[in-house]
Amino acid sequence: AAGVIQSPRHLIKEKRETATLKCYPIPRHDTVYWYQQGPGQDPQFLISFYEKMQSDKGSIPDRFSAQQFSDYHSELNMSSLELGDSALYFCASSPLREDSTDTQYFGPGTRLTVL
Amino acid sequence: KQEVTQIPAALSVPEGENLVLNCSFTDSAIYNLQWFRQDPGKGLTSLLLIQSSQREQTSGRLNASLDKSSGRSTLYIAASQPGDSATYLCAVPSNSGGSNYKLTFGKGTLLTVNP
Repeated sequence: AAGVIQSPRHLIKEKRETATLKCYPIPRHDTVYWYQQGPGQDPQFLISFYEKMQSDKGSIPDRFSAQQFSDYHSELNMSSLELGDSALYFCASSPLREDSTDTQYFGPGTRLTVL
Repeated sequence: KQEVTQIPAALSVPEGENLVLNCSFTDSAIYNLQWFRQDPGKGLTSLLLIQSSQREQTSGRLNASLDKSSGRSTLYIAASQPGDSATYLCAVPSNSGGSNYKLTFGKGTLLTVNP
């Protein structure tokens, strides 16, 4: 079965550089979530999209922005990178159901290292 | 604000032992609860999803229970094996007014099964 695809899998950047992370949801999933997991931490919600519109926002720095495109893939853009941005970034997708939530399917993550 | 707590933070057991991991949440108005497994530096693997109307869910040697009224869930692992060594995370969806349900994670239980 198709899974959530994230690219790149690993990324190394210098401080103050920019980075773009991509997420391709499972086919026919119209909702995308982004999470950040710092070293030794639990995943923290950043932002979500439904039908190409931002639907919820968590602890996402102003230096970060994201969008969902017409083919439902999503990109997380990170500027002015800081050492503290080094983390594992997960994307998850789910189908939207009117009567209940459904499981979120997680991608393998992108490991961002800021030097 | 939903808070998820997992006890213990770490657990070390000999191979073959049955064990229980605990998860508690502060807001009992949840739609479901999900247990994940995470190997070091790797992605999140969904183990079990229990809907709020269910009491328990089983998959192989894993059994998860949910007591929504008391805000608790347990993950029971039978006949543990060294390959079960990983961090186990529980997560519950919460909604801040939009149409999507971000997951709030516990900090996880680091399980080590010794041969």
